[in-house]
Amino acid sequence: SQQGEEDPQALSIQEGENATMNCSYKTSINNLQWYRQNSGRGLVHLILIRSNEREKHSGRLRVTLDTSKKSSSLLITASRAADTASYFCATDQYNFNKFYFGSGTKLNVKP
Amino acid sequence: KAGVTQTPRYLIKTRGQQVTLSCSPISGHRSVSWYQQTPGQGLQFLFEYFSETQRNKGNFPGRFSGRQFSNSRSEMNVSTLELGDSALYLCASSSRGQIEKLFFGSGTQLSVL
Repeated sequence: SQQGEEDPQALSIQEGENATMNCSYKTSINNLQWYRQNSGRGLVHLILIRSNEREKHSGRLRVTLDTSKKSSSLLITASRAADTASYFCATDQYNFNKFYFGSGTKLNVKP
Repeated sequence: KAGVTQTPRYLIKTRGQQVTLSCSPISGHRSVSWYQQTPGQGLQFLFEYFSETQRNKGNFPGRFSGRQFSNSRSEMNVSTLELGDSALYLCASSSRGQIEKLFFGSGTQLSVL
């Protein structure tokens, strides 16, 4: 499969703590994106990082990319109950118009 | 600006029937992609249309087909439904010919009995 793998599959933390989730993929990419999905709904784009970038920030989100290890991490700082959702990484793998999604990390933030 | 609209939200069909799902992209978006999401297989790419042409196709049997109209609205059709087709079908639109960011609809939950 060309899909990525996310780790951990599930994560439970207290409000205010940081949450880190990791994504690994198999082939070379142009960019990697992270999406959030609330239970049974559509996905919402969070952040995009290009293959020539190593780190990117957006609000409470910090994404890193290591193309030599074919891996990325998403850090959510000072988490809130509203961050409870599933998080997916997506890669384009040199085809700009077709994306491969990871298996997702289910994050539960307890109030 | 209205988001991506998918209809219907829920659908129940029986094996052997066929189904058509509809997707209206964000106004001005010319690319529409379809994904199937199941607990076991995750999100899998079905196909992508741009300006009424299918540009990419995933590894699904020919029972899965789609089309895009001149107003960018898209439909996907599944014929001869099987139990394994039960899934959340997600449509996503993008404004650019070279897609970077996908805007997803809320999906159609299809149950095949």
